Amino acid sequence: SQQGEEDPQALSIQEGENATMNCSYKTSINNLQWYRQNSGRGLVHLILIRSNEREKHSGRLRVTLDTSKKSSSLLITASRAADTASYFCAKTQGGSEKLVFGKGTKLTVNP
Amino acid sequence: GAVVSQHPSRVICKSGTSVKIECRSLDFQATTMFWYRQFPKKSLMLMATSNEGSKATYEQGVEKDKFLINHASLTLSTLTVTSAHPEDSSFYICSARTTPRANTEAFFGQGTRLTVV
Repeated sequence: SQQGEEDPQALSIQEGENATMNCSYKTSINNLQWYRQNSGRGLVHLILIRSNEREKHSGRLRVTLDTSKKSSSLLITASRAADTASYFCAKTQGGSEKLVFGKGTKLTVNP
Repeated sequence: GAVVSQHPSRVICKSGTSVKIECRSLDFQATTMFWYRQFPKKSLMLMATSNEGSKATYEQGVEKDKFLINHASLTLSTLTVTSAHPEDSSFYICSARTTPRANTEAFFGQGTRLTVV
């Protein structure tokens, strides 16, 4: 079953602005991953953060994890129109390989 | 990164017919593959875990006789939607990892848009 929610569900910003998306979850996790999906396409992995990590960076992406609050955030800095997509967080629990996805945030970056 | 190829990307079929969707790992072997279903503007719902050489493990509420999964080789898993109905219309996506460890990224196919008319 799915758990956790992303917020906001939709976000519209101007190019150059930063975009922050949040993800919450209910039970303990092994790791949390962020994926991007362009409309009607498959998913592309962005960042994996382990439960013992607090922050990770990759280019213009910054992910934080707060296990005490059971939440994570994805920050995209200096956004571009090409960043327009849906962004999902996904969790693994226990020894399972299964990824449980949140509902996603639809990001629109206006030129 | 590793490549997962899914075919076809789009398919339209008549009610009552069956449709097969293929998921291939092109440059790695995958003992496990995962099949998801995605409704419009919704998240991905895990349908089943495809295990090479053994029966698939289905999630609660997913009809195994409706969604037949075969994982006959380390690079190919197939999902067959049997006796398709309009309510089966959806976006189906497969994924696999290069190693069977939870702390690694998953690679996704391009997805298959199924429309049942």
